[in-house]
Amino acid sequence: NAGVTQTPKFQVLKTGQSMTLQCAQDMNHEYMSWYRQDPGMGLRLIHYSVGAGITDQGEVPNGYNVSRSTTEDFPLRLLSAAPSQTSVYFCASSYETGTGLYRELFFGEGSRLTVL
Amino acid sequence: SQQGEEDPQALSIQEGENATMNCSYKTSINNLQWYRQNSGRGLVHLILIRSNEREKHSGRLRVTLDTSKKSSSLLITASRAADTASYFCATDRTMEYGNKLVFGAGTILRVKS
Repeated sequence: NAGVTQTPKFQVLKTGQSMTLQCAQDMNHEYMSWYRQDPGMGLRLIHYSVGAGITDQGEVPNGYNVSRSTTEDFPLRLLSAAPSQTSVYFCASSYETGTGLYRELFFGEGSRLTVL
Repeated sequence: SQQGEEDPQALSIQEGENATMNCSYKTSINNLQWYRQNSGRGLVHLILIRSNEREKHSGRLRVTLDTSKKSSSLLITASRAADTASYFCATDRTMEYGNKLVFGAGTILRVKS
């Protein structure tokens, strides 16, 4: 059972470079999301999606783009990396209960990004 | 701003003791969840309590929810060294396109053997 798979696990970028963090899940979950985790800040929601073609902003969306063309994949794009985007990024997915509510999130192992 | 705020920020106890962590939030919620994160790993779901429930148990875990005070607590009984981890509460809120989970900053638990 693969669950939620994130790539790459580690990445170093220079300021101004762009890159995409990949996230794939094999559980047919409708809901997918990206969080960043910084020391003392907990997890902050960047973007989320409730299904293919539907995305919305979270708490800290600036500097990040997402798209959801398939149920399985939810890539996160950094358009022009900045040192403030140095963080650990987590992708998470969940299933809808049929009542409009979601249950527990299933997390990937994280992608550690350093921007120099 | 964070929806959930845990306290204490850090907790150090001896093996066998109970550990209690608290979470407060600001707006109405659909449910509240607790997660655990081992160092360098992703988060793992522990327990979910609905807004109309007051207490829930799962093994050595006991979660309470007081919606009038907008607070929850996680109790780990008879702690073990393997319980050493960070613990996060997350509140499920209804947004424009659906629901989303908002996490607190977490409590770092260290269980000494």
